[in-house]
Amino acid sequence: DAGITQSPRHKVTETGTPVTLRCHQTENHRYMYWYRQDPGHGLRLIHYSYGVKDTDKGEVSDGYSVSRSKTEDFLLTLESATSSQTSVYFCATSLGGPAIYGYTFGSGTRLTVV
Amino acid sequence: DQQVKQNSPSLSVQEGRISILNCDYTNSMFDYFLWYKKYPAEGPTFLISISSIKDKNEDGRFTVFLNKSAKHLSLHIVPSQPGDSAVYFCAARSNNAGNMLTFGGGTRLMVKP
Repeated sequence: DAGITQSPRHKVTETGTPVTLRCHQTENHRYMYWYRQDPGHGLRLIHYSYGVKDTDKGEVSDGYSVSRSKTEDFLLTLESATSSQTSVYFCATSLGGPAIYGYTFGSGTRLTVV
Repeated sequence: DQQVKQNSPSLSVQEGRISILNCDYTNSMFDYFLWYKKYPAEGPTFLISISSIKDKNEDGRFTVFLNKSAKHLSLHIVPSQPGDSAVYFCAARSNNAGNMLTFGGGTRLMVKP
């Protein structure tokens, strides 16, 4: 009954290859977000979406792109993976403003770029 | 420049005692603050929040205190339990930045039996 599913859970890829991470939600939440978690940096926002086909950049968007063609799916693409993109990636959703509803997070994708 | 800082990377407390996790922020436009808890190999889960118009919010064993003049908030867990051992993230929302949250670096809490 997981409301948010991230796939894959783990991935090892080579430098220079494109990688797509998928986030699928069954919550029918309007807002979706991609964060990366790195030691000492906490969670940093990469991109977010406030509706189908409506996306915008976050704090660390360089080297990443996103797409949202359906309410339930939010894809994160690393156009040409680099070692600095080795991280744990979290997808999150919220019904409305996170201050009221909070975010619901997926379980994360651990990406290693070698 | 980190707008939300958790200066203690780790904290160890004895079961039954109080755990106090601290968070400092710099952005005066933050109007809502949240705490998330994260276990290994799981996503963060929402714990408790507080509006900037309040100075305290309580939910069971968890209480968040906000000191706006000092730009400081803290999470108190009383009594601490071994199951509380996790990484805790402080987060803040700016009222002029849509629905995005800015997170601190996290504090790892270890509660010893």
